[in-house]
Amino acid sequence: EVQLLESGGGLVQPGGSLRLSCAASGFTFSTYAMSWVRQAPGKGLEWVSAISGSGGSTYYADSVKGRFTISRDNSKNTLYLQINSLRAGDTAVYYCAKAGGGARGVNYLDVWGEGTTVTVSS
Amino acid sequence: EIVLTQSPGTLSLSPGERATLSCRASQSVSNNYLAWYQQKPGQAPRLLIYGASSRATGIPDRFSGSGSGTDFTLTISRLEPEDFAVYYCQQYGSSPGTFGPGTKVDIK
Repeated sequence: EVQLLESGGGLVQPGGSLRLSCAASGFTFSTYAMSWVRQAPGKGLEWVSAISGSGGSTYYADSVKGRFTISRDNSKNTLYLQINSLRAGDTAVYYCAKAGGGARGVNYLDVWGEGTTVTVSS
Repeated sequence: EIVLTQSPGTLSLSPGERATLSCRASQSVSNNYLAWYQQKPGQAPRLLIYGASSRATGIPDRFSGSGSGTDFTLTISRLEPEDFAVYYCQQYGSSPGTFGPGTKVDIK
């Protein structure tokens, strides 16, 4: 069974940093692109970032470019999102998701984790 | 960046009725790379449709997608009680892979 399990969320002060992780199982991790999508409380989905299967190509929403870094360790079947300079507007549930269409970076998302909550507040 | 607009914002219907949801893009979506997702409260989104019209694995055939270029439609032929939810479209033809604001389908 394909599974994604996020971790690393929590309460952080403005200006702080967090690293989110997503442990994948049940599929050949390195052959699929992966993405992060977030959802602020009571709001819609916001595409955040994507990374190709090899990790050689990365993509970001303008709202997070320069502050967020996506990466992956294919030997550990794990996806990461390093979040720096956190702002109140970054408060959201962060989902990791598997690309349905293979290694292509920006893709449709066929499997989602349950999400990890990031709260930015002083 | 491609901006997606969904209409209506809310659709109030009864079980058994037909639902028609619209997603319009600010520019043409490359290769019709348009997906639809369903989200229920407290749950992660679920993929329904990809490539504008291909149903994802396990999705009932009452869900269908159509359209091309800038105008896309998700149709639910006969609403079942479990279909009342929020529906999002997403384009993945270019980066960033933007989502629409969603259409809520609620019980009339």
